[in-house]
Amino acid sequence: GENVEQHPSTLSVQEGDSAVIKCTYSDSASNYFPWYKQELGKRPQLIIDIRSNVGEKKDQRIAVTLNKTAKHFSLHITETQPEDSAVYFCAADSYGQNFVFGPGTRLSVLP
Amino acid sequence: DAGITQSPRHKVTETGTPVTLRCHQTENHRYMYWYRQDPGHGLRLIHYSYGVKDTDKGEVSDGYSVSRSKTEDFLLTLESATSSQTSVYFCATRVGTQNTGELFFGEGSRLTVL
Repeated sequence: GENVEQHPSTLSVQEGDSAVIKCTYSDSASNYFPWYKQELGKRPQLIIDIRSNVGEKKDQRIAVTLNKTAKHFSLHITETQPEDSAVYFCAADSYGQNFVFGPGTRLSVLP
Repeated sequence: DAGITQSPRHKVTETGTPVTLRCHQTENHRYMYWYRQDPGHGLRLIHYSYGVKDTDKGEVSDGYSVSRSKTEDFLLTLESATSSQTSVYFCATRVGTQNTGELFFGEGSRLTVL
């Protein structure tokens, strides 16, 4: 089955700097890759996603890139703000039925 | 919030007792999922359902069973709770069609097994 790895597990950046989180997946048939943000004590919420026919997608300060050949995708957050502090999860769809999630990255934005 | 409610939100129980968590949705979504979340492991799939009475196992299904007798309800049962099942459980529904829909999560149910 699908396996998703995610790095780093923790990341600290200064406010205003950029943050990058990387994920790799194992199943070349996966074709949908969402990113979820989870604030402390809250539910995970979708922040951006990308499909296999696209190499990059942007939404204001966040962007996701996908390299299908290498089977990796990354989340980029620019001009980080304190409210970006959270745990971020990448995921890959598995056989179009369910998602496999990475173990998460705890991002801390320092003032 | 995609109309998802989980109950109970918090539960403390003893080892060996059965526990049932309920997920209720109001949006008539076909796909429903149960995940557990533990530090360092992210979200791991327990079971999922792709329609009434249609369910399948996820990667951590041992010790859990599910039922879906109505579109709106997806029940997760721990047949005999163990301390290793202490976790936060999230229900989710999938919006849209297969291969394209995103997941919406409920608020979670925190289970403590003593």
